[in-house]
Amino acid sequence: NAGVTQTPKFQVLKTGQSMTLQCAQDMNHNSMYWYRQDPGMGLRLIYYSASEGTTDKGEVPNGYNVSRLNKREFSLRLESAAPSQTSVYFCASIMDTMNTEAFFGQGTRLTVV
Amino acid sequence: QKEVEQNSGPLSVPEGAIASLNCTYSDRGSQSFFWYRQYSGKSPELIMSIYSNGDKEDGRFTAQLNKASQYVSLLIRDSQPSDSATYLCAVKSNYQLIWGAGTKLIIKP
Repeated sequence: NAGVTQTPKFQVLKTGQSMTLQCAQDMNHNSMYWYRQDPGMGLRLIYYSASEGTTDKGEVPNGYNVSRLNKREFSLRLESAAPSQTSVYFCASIMDTMNTEAFFGQGTRLTVV
Repeated sequence: QKEVEQNSGPLSVPEGAIASLNCTYSDRGSQSFFWYRQYSGKSPELIMSIYSNGDKEDGRFTAQLNKASQYVSLLIRDSQPSDSATYLCAVKSNYQLIWGAGTKLIIKP
């Protein structure tokens, strides 16, 4: 089993460019999450999808959009990247909202210049 | 705003000693508590979960929960250099995980 696969691993963008981070899980989990991790600030929730067909804002949603394409895939889009979005992004999946062991992708290190 | 607080460290512990990591949380209704380990440049991985007051042991790791004091801790016995990592405390609140900023642990050989 691959678990949670996240691409790309590294990305450099210029201010104003757009990009989509891809995430796929093969564990048949219902819930998927996008976090960003900045030094000294822990994991902050950007968006989550409790189940296929639903998405909700987290703590820091501004500047991002998401799509739950199907049960396996949950993508994060930056429409117009800003330097403040320089961070490490993690996708995670959880079987359902009653079971909270989270499984993480390997992360995307994004730099916006 | 629901919060989870951890001392950022670094916490430096000699090899073979006990490392003690602490976490406090603000939501009194929280029912589930987790410790994740994150090596530098890697993603977090679950090492312990605890749901009721008291101690839970798994190998060299012991999680302790005190809901009255809103406090959860992680003890690592016989610390090894491979335990050097950042330890994240996570608390389940209203079907979401609320994360602490993590404590960096350094085990000195």
